[in-house]
Amino acid sequence: NAGVTQTPKFQVLKTGQSMTLQCAQDMNHNSMYWYRQDPGMGLRLIYYSASEGTTDKGEVPNGYNVSRLNKREFSLRLESAAPSQTSVYFCASRWDRNTEAFFGQGTRLTVV
Amino acid sequence: QQPVQSPQAVILREGEDAVINCSSSKALYSVHWYRQKHGEAPVFLMILLKGGEQKGHEKISASFNEKKQQSSLYLTASQLSYSGTYFCGTEIGGNQFYFGTGTSLTVIP
Repeated sequence: NAGVTQTPKFQVLKTGQSMTLQCAQDMNHNSMYWYRQDPGMGLRLIYYSASEGTTDKGEVPNGYNVSRLNKREFSLRLESAAPSQTSVYFCASRWDRNTEAFFGQGTRLTVV
Repeated sequence: QQPVQSPQAVILREGEDAVINCSSSKALYSVHWYRQKHGEAPVFLMILLKGGEQKGHEKISASFNEKKQQSSLYLTASQLSYSGTYFCGTEIGGNQFYFGTGTSLTVIP
């Protein structure tokens, strides 16, 4: 019973490098989300996917791209990492708007 | 889009009560509440839907004022295990799901 799985758990990047954060859920949820968490700023929505085949921007999409590969997987890509993208990233999923969201364990990303 | 929470931080002694508030500038379909322990993922506490339906925690209650776009979380007879950061999550439609800035709660013996 894995729930929401994020990989990797930790990553250090140099400025300008690219990487993809992976997220997979095994609960057959329709909606998936990517958030970043910074001290004092709470959880801010980067991108979301209301259903398979759709993606939309959240509050802070600049510098990121996403892919909803299938119903299970929703990846977040940083094309050219910047120090301002140092953060903890959480993926979440839920069945629909009337149900709770489940979170992955987070990815701690440091850009130097 | 991000809802505003107050207070930012609160310290309680065991057995005391606390109220955490969440306010949005947008019309809300629902409000969720989550708790996050240090270094862990947020965990669901409860959901309040438009129309009054509530789902969730047995020992924690909340209210949702749809007209004022506000919600409050009530923690009564606090226990040490209640310590953590509390987030409200607001659904404004189209599956857009935004979280607040968080309220740090510390319960001391």
